[in-house]
Amino acid sequence: GAVVSQHPSRVICKSGTSVKIECRSLDFQATTMFWYRQFPKQSLMLMATSNEGSKATYEQGVEKDKFLINHASLTLSTLTVTSAHPEDSSFYICSAGTFIALNYGYTFGSGTRLTVV
Amino acid sequence: TQLLEQSPQFLSIQEGENLTVYCNSSSVFSSLQWYRQEPGEGPVLLVTVVTGGEVKKLKRLTFQFGDARKDSSLHITAAQPGDTGLYLCAGPTYGGATNKLIFGTGTLLAVQP
Repeated sequence: GAVVSQHPSRVICKSGTSVKIECRSLDFQATTMFWYRQFPKQSLMLMATSNEGSKATYEQGVEKDKFLINHASLTLSTLTVTSAHPEDSSFYICSAGTFIALNYGYTFGSGTRLTVV
Repeated sequence: TQLLEQSPQFLSIQEGENLTVYCNSSSVFSSLQWYRQEPGEGPVLLVTVVTGGEVKKLKRLTFQFGDARKDSSLHITAAQPGDTGLYLCAGPTYGGATNKLIFGTGTLLAVQP
């Protein structure tokens, strides 16, 4: 089945530094990647949608200069949290959208726990 | 903006009890999905319902899609501690050429042994 590998699973960084999170589709081509943010005991909130080779589309209220998304290939998308602050601490999850059989499906990464100190 | 409201938000029950989680929207969805998520992990797909009125069963879990395709429910029979987790409904929204998946507000279930 379709697998999305997300790294790192946990990262602690100092305030003011940048952190890069990678999502790779292992056995399929992900033309579209979705990035979500999740706070403890809350639901997933869509941050942005990226299509391979084009600029990401950000949801309302998400700072595109703070959360840089790159989708340079059909198997790799990255999210960089720039100049991280403690309020950026959260669980970040990627999801690849692709056709599975004849249906459009979403395959999720295992998430990245970011702690900014 | 299409929103998915889930109820209840939190649920703590004893092992063996039954429960129902609801997912409601004012918008029509072409399909709805249900996910279960454990702490520190990504959500895992349980089921996709597509047809209005559709009922799907997955062992002790029964999923129903409303006739008007605006709501869905998840019923768990004889809950077990292993059912503990965050249950999320989700539906696709169409923005340009991309089907974005938006999630409901979530239901945190705790099943006590």
